[in-house]
Order: sequence, then C-alpha cells, then structure tokens
Amino acid sequence: DGGITQSPKYLFRKEGQNVTLSCEQNLNHDAMYWYRQDPGQGLRLIYYSQIVNDFQKGDIAEGYSVSREKKESFPLTVTSAQKNPTAFYLCASSWQGEGQPQHFGDGTRLSIL
Amino acid sequence: GQQLNQSPQSMFIQEGEDVSMNCTSSSIFNTWLWYKQDPGEGPVLLIALYKAGELTSNGRLTAQFGITRKDSFLNISASIPSDVGIYFCAGHSGGSNYKLTFGKGTLLTVNP
Repeated sequence: DGGITQSPKYLFRKEGQNVTLSCEQNLNHDAMYWYRQDPGQGLRLIYYSQIVNDFQKGDIAEGYSVSREKKESFPLTVTSAQKNPTAFYLCASSWQGEGQPQHFGDGTRLSIL
Repeated sequence: GQQLNQSPQSMFIQEGEDVSMNCTSSSIFNTWLWYKQDPGEGPVLLIALYKAGELTSNGRLTAQFGITRKDSFLNISASIPSDVGIYFCAGHSGGSNYKLTFGKGTLLTVNP
C-alpha cells in the first residue's frame, strides 16, 4: 500500500539530547513537509523540501534540522536547542504543483523525560 | 504572514444534526482543502476545491469555494458519532511555493 510512514509513534527525549524522527513515503511525491501540532494551535510548518538535496525553513525552524538525501525520506532532528519540544509531529508529502493536497503520516508524539 | 480564521473553534451537537463550519481570510486563495483528524492520527483529506464558486460533495460532506476566493465552507449532514474529530481548512495562495496555510481547526463532538 502506498503511504507515509512515521516512526516511532512515541518518543521520549532527555534534557540536552538530540532525537531524530523518521518519515518515509512511497507515493513518489516530490515535496515533503514537517509540521508541529500543539493543542489549540493547529499545524505549524517547521521545514519543507520541494526537491531532493534542497529544503527551506518554515515558520518555526529554530531548534530543528532536516535532510533530504533521498526522494522518499525526510528525517527531522529535534536538537537540544529546542527548549519546548513536547508536541505531536506530523510529516506530509505532495506532488509538485500549485495547490496540490498534502497527505499526512500518523504522527510522532515527542515527550520530555 | 497569511492567516485563515476558522470558526467555530468547537461544536457540540446531537447525532442526526447538520453541521456547518467555515474559514475566512483577508487574502485570496486559489485552492481550498478540508481535512479531518481523528485523535492520535494524521489529518486525512476530505475535499479539495480549485475554482471560485465550486461546490463539491463527498458523501454527507459538502464544501464550497467562496466566490470572493477569501472563504470556504464545509457542511456535514445527518451527523453520526464517527464524525467526531478536528476539521481543518487549508489554502494555497498560488505561486511555485507549495506551502499551505492551515486554520486552527474546529473540534466536533457528536452526542449519540
């Protein structure tokens, strides 16, 4: 089945630790996105990539980093510089083109130990 | 930056009732999308709208692309308990940037 796979479903981070969230898609989509969701705040864009080996900052990129070495993969690293990392993280992908719908994975919930 | 104002923030209805929610913006959008999110899962696309005035249905759901291109509406008829969740609108304002702007969501609770 085609889709977007995020792993792990739940992740715990210790103080001062970097953690990496995985996102893999087999939809052959060109563009991939990372969002952060906090209660009552909707979806906020962290980073996005429209093509392999290229990515841009979204609205809340500070404390996060990404890479796009393969078309199907877009991992997100939450660094120790992100002081409030507890949130639900969503990965999405879409075809190229104006207004193409984004398709989402089932998310990773990150908590601080 | 662009913002979408989604209302209401939450709704509590009885099973069988019809539901209406909307998104408005001060900017023009070329695409409107409606998503539903179940607890602990990712949003799922319900309806996509690409033309001003367009009215599109998906089962009991109907959405419209406002004629001014600054708003969109989602209606759910004869609600059932599985309609519970958060409904998001999203818009694209055009150009080669593929970013979407999301509303903050409407939390729908359906009492059986």
